[in-house]
Amino acid sequence: DTAVSQTPKYLVTQMGNDKSIKCEQNLGHDTMYWYKQDSKKFLKIMFSYNNKELIINETVPNRFSPKSPDKAHLNLHINSLELGDSAVYFCASSQERGWGVETNEKLFFGSGTQLSVL
Amino acid sequence: KQEVTQIPAALSVPEGENLVLNCSFTDSAIYNLQWFRQDPGKGLTSLLLIQSSQREQTSGRLNASLDKSSGRSTLYIAASQPGDSATYLCAVRTGGFKTIFGAGTRLFVKA
Repeated sequence: DTAVSQTPKYLVTQMGNDKSIKCEQNLGHDTMYWYKQDSKKFLKIMFSYNNKELIINETVPNRFSPKSPDKAHLNLHINSLELGDSAVYFCASSQERGWGVETNEKLFFGSGTQLSVL
Repeated sequence: KQEVTQIPAALSVPEGENLVLNCSFTDSAIYNLQWFRQDPGKGLTSLLLIQSSQREQTSGRLNASLDKSSGRSTLYIAASQPGDSATYLCAVRTGGFKTIFGAGTRLFVKA
């Protein structure tokens, strides 16, 4: 059983389209994330949800809208896709203990969705 | 603002060599530091996690150290093997559920 699974693995689409990426974790974690890895392989956090509540929104264009129907799922919807959105998007999860707490909880990543906008 | 830097960006070594990957961070107020491995076309796998109160962690041929006061961590790989070829990323957990990543070191171990 894959701990963090995201679909699709590859997504090729035209500029201006709307697309979604789905993510599910079966680890029982409270916190889920979306990360973007650009062409230079730099990994940057986009969003974080804790117990279905948005806690991090890192100056991402509002064309990107995350949605967490329950603790095990965090989906990413992207409107009006642009060329610059082409990247690999990773979903991740962890069992966070809360703000300001030293933690030994590891991050678990999905295998990524490679998005190509033409 | 926390920034994470990894040196070198790329490294090629012959099989069997011991090697050290370096990571530095600008703000010592971290909760933990993780080393990850990323294989081409795949996700990241956490190798070692060092809590802020710890100095090192070991797993098999891997040893990671943390010097929070100087903002440095090293990942030591003993007796490298071709299967160790991958990109290794360092990441620090800061307040507010954020984990900040370095750009990674691409390692190639030649048989």
